[in-house]
Amino acid sequence: DTGVSQNPRHKITKRGQNVTFRCDPISEHNRLYWYRQTLGQGPEFLTYFQNEAQLEKSRLLSDRFSAERPKGSFSTLEIQRTEQGDSAMYLCASSSSRDRGGFLTEAFFGQGTRLTVV
Amino acid sequence: AQSVSQHNHHVILSEAASLELGCNYSYGGTVNLFWYVQYPGQHLQLLLKYFSGDPLVKGIKGFEAEFIKSKFSFNLRKPSVQWSDTAEYFCAGSGGSYIPTFGRGTSLIVHP
Repeated sequence: DTGVSQNPRHKITKRGQNVTFRCDPISEHNRLYWYRQTLGQGPEFLTYFQNEAQLEKSRLLSDRFSAERPKGSFSTLEIQRTEQGDSAMYLCASSSSRDRGGFLTEAFFGQGTRLTVV
Repeated sequence: AQSVSQHNHHVILSEAASLELGCNYSYGGTVNLFWYVQYPGQHLQLLLKYFSGDPLVKGIKGFEAEFIKSKFSFNLRKPSVQWSDTAEYFCAGSGGSYIPTFGRGTSLIVHP
């Protein structure tokens, strides 16, 4: 499967614990996005990377959240001191800037990581 | 804030009925628009996209959407739905940024 891969698929954690999710984008895709989705809502933007540079973060992203993409390939999203309100599906997506001369292209999504904070 | 909005949150149809799901955007200037579908238990998949050119866009599985600039709309249509079209449908868009923003989604249930 050469699509976007996310691990783990499910994570249950106790309130106050730290969790880390991993995303492996489609090979050669230089843009990577993290979104969060809760029941009955559309994906909500969290952060965006182009190559290894984190170019934008949502104002909704508290300082408990941090994301990295150290070599411009896979990315990790860490949530520190989890709260029950963090329970959601965390989605990763990737796209290429090269297909349209640098303009926006469609994003391809992974299956997501479902986080439950108890 | 620039965004897209979907006004039909739940739609129930019988097989062979026609479908139209509304999407409005608030971007000026450059507009990039998408429709994604999420089947139960699966990841988001692209149905179709609009960047420029012909405002009538044809996608996979018989879906199409029309970009109407004067109405700020990008409605999704299908002339005859099937039970297998039961899914969540999301409109997404971007103005000049590289970050697609998503509407709330429409849950479509098609009865056989």
